[in-house]
Amino acid sequence: DSGVTQTPKHLITATGQRVTLRCSPRSGDLSVYWYQQSLDQGLQFLIQYYNGEERAKGNILERFSAQQFPDLHSELNLSSLELGDSALYFCASSVGTSGNTNEQFFGPGTRLTVL
Amino acid sequence: QQPVQSPQAVILREGEDAVINCSSSKALYSVHWYRQKHGEAPVFLMILLKGGEQKGHEKISASFNEKKQQSSLYLTASQLSYSGTYFCGTEGSGGSNYKLTFGKGTLLTVNP
Repeated sequence: DSGVTQTPKHLITATGQRVTLRCSPRSGDLSVYWYQQSLDQGLQFLIQYYNGEERAKGNILERFSAQQFPDLHSELNLSSLELGDSALYFCASSVGTSGNTNEQFFGPGTRLTVL
Repeated sequence: QQPVQSPQAVILREGEDAVINCSSSKALYSVHWYRQKHGEAPVFLMILLKGGEQKGHEKISASFNEKKQQSSLYLTASQLSYSGTYFCGTEGSGGSNYKLTFGKGTLLTVNP
C-alpha cells in the first residue's frame, strides 16, 4: 500500500459524458501527478500540481482538467468523453516539486471504460 | 520525447541475470526506474542523477551513462518476484521539467 488513494476504482460511462476522478496523496506529500496508461501509449504524464498550483503539463487534452485543493487532494475532470479515453488513470504523489530527487508513489488507479 | 527501452520482453529462469536498457535522444538530468506487476500500480525502484552514478537495490542495480544518455537496469540472480513490466522514466536536462517521460516498458517473466 503506497498511501495514495484513488476513487473510484472502476468507472463505466458513455461517450460524451463527464467524469471526475479523485486522488488523495500520501500524508505530507505536496506534489500530485496524474498519468494515463493505455495498452498502446504506455504511461503518459498528464499534469502535476504542487501545493495547489499547477507545475507541469504533459500530454493533457483540452477536454481534461485538474485541480489540487487546499487539503491537497486532487481531482481530474474528463469531459466530452470519447472511446479512446478508456484507460487506467493513475495518481502519484511525492514530497517535493521536482521529480528528479523525489520518488513518486502511485495510487491503485481508476479504470475508466467509455462505451 | 519518449525514451526507448530494450528489449521489449525477456523470459528468464529463476537465478538468471538480465539487463534492461533505456535510451534517450536528448540530454537527461535523471532516470527513474519503476516496476509494475500485472493489475497493480507502478512501484519505485531507484533514481539515478546525471554524473554516472550507479545505484543498487538488493540484487537490482542500475547505471546512468550521461554521455550516451542511456541507463541500464541490472537484475542478478532473478527471483520469481521480479516478474513484471519495468519502466524507465526520464527527466530532461536541467532538472526543472518536473515531469517524467516513460518508456513503453520491458516485460520480464521469471519462470521456476
